[in-house]
Amino acid sequence: QKEVEQDPGPLSVPEGAIVSLNCTYSNSAFQYFMWYRQYSRKGPELLMYTYSSGNKEDGRFTAQVDKSSKYISLFIRDSQPSDSATYLCAMRVNNFNKFYFGSGTKLNVKP
Amino acid sequence: SQTIHQWPATLVQPVGSPLSLECTVEGTSNPNLYWYRQAAGRGLQLLFYSVGIGQISSEVPQNLSASRPQDRQFILSSKKLLLSDSGFYLCAWRASGANVLTFGAGSRLTVL
Repeated sequence: QKEVEQDPGPLSVPEGAIVSLNCTYSNSAFQYFMWYRQYSRKGPELLMYTYSSGNKEDGRFTAQVDKSSKYISLFIRDSQPSDSATYLCAMRVNNFNKFYFGSGTKLNVKP
Repeated sequence: SQTIHQWPATLVQPVGSPLSLECTVEGTSNPNLYWYRQAAGRGLQLLFYSVGIGQISSEVPQNLSASRPQDRQFILSSKKLLLSDSGFYLCAWRASGANVLTFGAGSRLTVL
């Protein structure tokens, strides 16, 4: 079983839609949770970072962590064509050097 | 501010040839450094990470090696490339104690 599972998509939505991206994980010791956005042929860039459980909002983006279900989500409101990219979730155990990544979900927002 | 540089951006190499990819970080000291590989349509595979000069941890046995000759320099090498080494190689760094990674722009390697 992979440490982190993520649906590869592709996910295609119309402009203005609410997008929900999700990851599940198996290691209950994960405490730090990240979402990265990766445009084609570019390096991933950090989008959201949360510690432990709860919600975090930044503009059109909301990250949620449910540690009891080992489930994290990224919501994008009022999606734009510029949001079209691959979204990678990542997580880490405190005091450990390794980061565990999902395989990425490819999102296409149609104008 | 801190910046990460990775080069070359693109290279095409024949099977059996050597490889050297270089990564440097500016504006910080004693960073943790990472090499990842991303195959087409796949997730990120951790290859190596380093917490200090000369300290390299290898995650996947293969024909690649890494070195950290200076505090902010991380090099990925191979003596003889295989077809399976093709992919997108990403260098990343984090400050010691930080909880997120910052990635470079990547190096796309095609082995023919």
